[in-house]
Amino acid sequence: GQQVMQIPQYQHVQEGEDFTTYCNSSTTLSNIQWYKQRPGGHPVFLIQLVKSGEVKKQKRLTFQFGEAKKNSSLHITATQTTDVGTYFCAGSGSARQLTFGSGTQLTVLP
Amino acid sequence: DAGVIQSPRHEVTEMGQEVTLRCKPISGHNSLFWYRQTMMRGLELLIYFNNNVPIDDSGMPEDRFSAKMPNASFSTLKIQPSEPRDSAVYFCASTKGQLNTEAFFGQGTRLTVV
Repeated sequence: GQQVMQIPQYQHVQEGEDFTTYCNSSTTLSNIQWYKQRPGGHPVFLIQLVKSGEVKKQKRLTFQFGEAKKNSSLHITATQTTDVGTYFCAGSGSARQLTFGSGTQLTVLP
Repeated sequence: DAGVIQSPRHEVTEMGQEVTLRCKPISGHNSLFWYRQTMMRGLELLIYFNNNVPIDDSGMPEDRFSAKMPNASFSTLKIQPSEPRDSAVYFCASTKGQLNTEAFFGQGTRLTVV
């Protein structure tokens, strides 16, 4: 079945440093979504990428979808304490429903 | 819109007891998903419904777990009998249109089985 792997599992950064999380699928994806879950909260949708090689930006966040549509990344520039949380990628392939990655837990040290 | 509503927010029960989790999806959404989240296994899809019909329940761990969606505005996830290893946060999510569109999650139910 479809598998979505995400690395790293944990990341500690100093406030102001950059952060990147990577997502890899065992199969070609039709789209990929990114979610953020604050501590004690629920996953909240951030963005969806559909096209091969697509790049989207939301303020300090940059999302990329690989050319082969099997990998994706989320990059945060100059992290802030409000960025703390777990970031999940979720891919959709032939099975159509989303498969979530294991998430990257980001800690930002002030 | 109030979003996806789950109840209860917290549930503590004794091993062997029946537990029922409830979910009200966003009005107009036609797909509903039940997830379980633990530190060890992350976010697992248990079952999903499309237009009230269960489509894939391959993620349901055991026969002790069952889910229903009697109408478009209500779904339940039942565990009977409950076991300590069922302790987790259970999320309900709904989507509009296709299965792979933006998922809206409820606040979750934190279940503790002692």
